[in-house]
Amino acid sequence: GNSVTQMEGPVTLSEEAFLTINCTYTATGYPSLFWYVQYPGEGLQLLLKATKADDKGSNKGFEATYRKETTSFHLEKGSVQVSDSAVYFCALSGSGGSNYKLTFGKGTLLTVNP
Amino acid sequence: DSGVTQTPKHLITATGQRVTLRCSPRSGDLSVYWYQQSLDQGLQFLIQYYNGEERAKGNILERFSAQQFPDLHSELNLSSLELGDSALYFCASSVGPGTSGYEQYFGPGTRLTVT
Repeated sequence: GNSVTQMEGPVTLSEEAFLTINCTYTATGYPSLFWYVQYPGEGLQLLLKATKADDKGSNKGFEATYRKETTSFHLEKGSVQVSDSAVYFCALSGSGGSNYKLTFGKGTLLTVNP
Repeated sequence: DSGVTQTPKHLITATGQRVTLRCSPRSGDLSVYWYQQSLDQGLQFLIQYYNGEERAKGNILERFSAQQFPDLHSELNLSSLELGDSALYFCASSVGPGTSGYEQYFGPGTRLTVT
């Protein structure tokens, strides 16, 4: 079945530091890939997505590139802010049939200090 | 605000009881998904409905059931509750049953505490 592995947290950075959160996946066919963010006490918000190989998703300074050859979708941001502190989830959805459910990684807690 | 609403926000109940969680999808969305978020299991897919019909089932216990009504809102029923059912329950909605790259929008969740 489908699975997502993302780097264990927590990750603690200083403001303006560079962020990378690694995510790799296992799936059959051609999944779509997503990053969701969960702020304290809130639901999940879609941060960015990519639907095919070599696609780059981007939003709010965050980027991730769909790499089929390495089955990866790493999240990056060049300069983090305190307001980026949250839990980040990598997820995939399959293609066709009943595979549209989202399969999530375990989440990575990011804390950004001023 | 995603446009997905869930009620109640918090629910505290005793073991053996039954509760109902309610979800209203975004306007125009026909698919509803339920997920459970717990510390030990992470985010797990439970069940999906599309336009009133069940489309996919995940790790949903037999004590749990769901349905989607003609007005497209959905309810998740949890019965014979156990301590281990304490979790955050999220509802998400999307436009269709699935097209490439479609997005799911999540509600704020219902936090269930079983004592």
